[in-house]
Amino acid sequence: DAKTTQPNSMESNEEEPVHLPCNHSTISGTDYIHWYRQLPSQGPEYVIHGLTSNVNNRMASLAIAEDRKSSTLILHRATLRDAAVYYCILRNSGGSNYKLTFGKGTLLTVNP
Amino acid sequence: DAGITQSPRHKVTETGTPVTLRCHQTENHRYMYWYRQDPGHGLRLIHYSYGVKDTDKGEVSDGYSVSRSKTEDFLLTLESATSSQTSVYFCAISEGGTPPVYGYTFGSGTRLTVV
Repeated sequence: DAKTTQPNSMESNEEEPVHLPCNHSTISGTDYIHWYRQLPSQGPEYVIHGLTSNVNNRMASLAIAEDRKSSTLILHRATLRDAAVYYCILRNSGGSNYKLTFGKGTLLTVNP
Repeated sequence: DAGITQSPRHKVTETGTPVTLRCHQTENHRYMYWYRQDPGHGLRLIHYSYGVKDTDKGEVSDGYSVSRSKTEDFLLTLESATSSQTSVYFCAISEGGTPPVYGYTFGSGTRLTVV
């Protein structure tokens, strides 16, 4: 499986935008980029996913580099409730794509 | 999430006793999963199911068994609990499919302590 690399931790201030980077230099053409987050004492929750184009939903935006070797999860206005571990995960279109493999993720701290 | 519930939420058990954790879904999703989460290891897949009576091992399946006799229920059994199985256990569901455009939904977790 293609690997992802994320910073261990990041810090932001409340109501400011947050850009969470993810490197996936060995991504294949059929790998989808998925993001999940895990709030303290909760199970992970799905945030967003994309293949080639940038994506927006009510929770966040996903910006994908043109060569697809990196992506950025964007929280437009961080709140204290956004403090969580954020996971960037690649899922392939074929084979065992139904299995989700988690890395260490990025711990986001939001300062009031 | 209302579509998936885990029981019990907390359990303390003694070494050597059998333990069964239950995951129940109301979404009629095909795939169900059991993960464990430990400090320093993150989330690791124990077993998963791709249909009724269809299950397979994940990366840390030793000491665990699973059963799925109905679409909505996925049971995780520790045949003889050990202290190394003290962990937080998460169940998840997904629709699966190709391409993988559906997200997983996770339960709230079961905190198991083996003493």
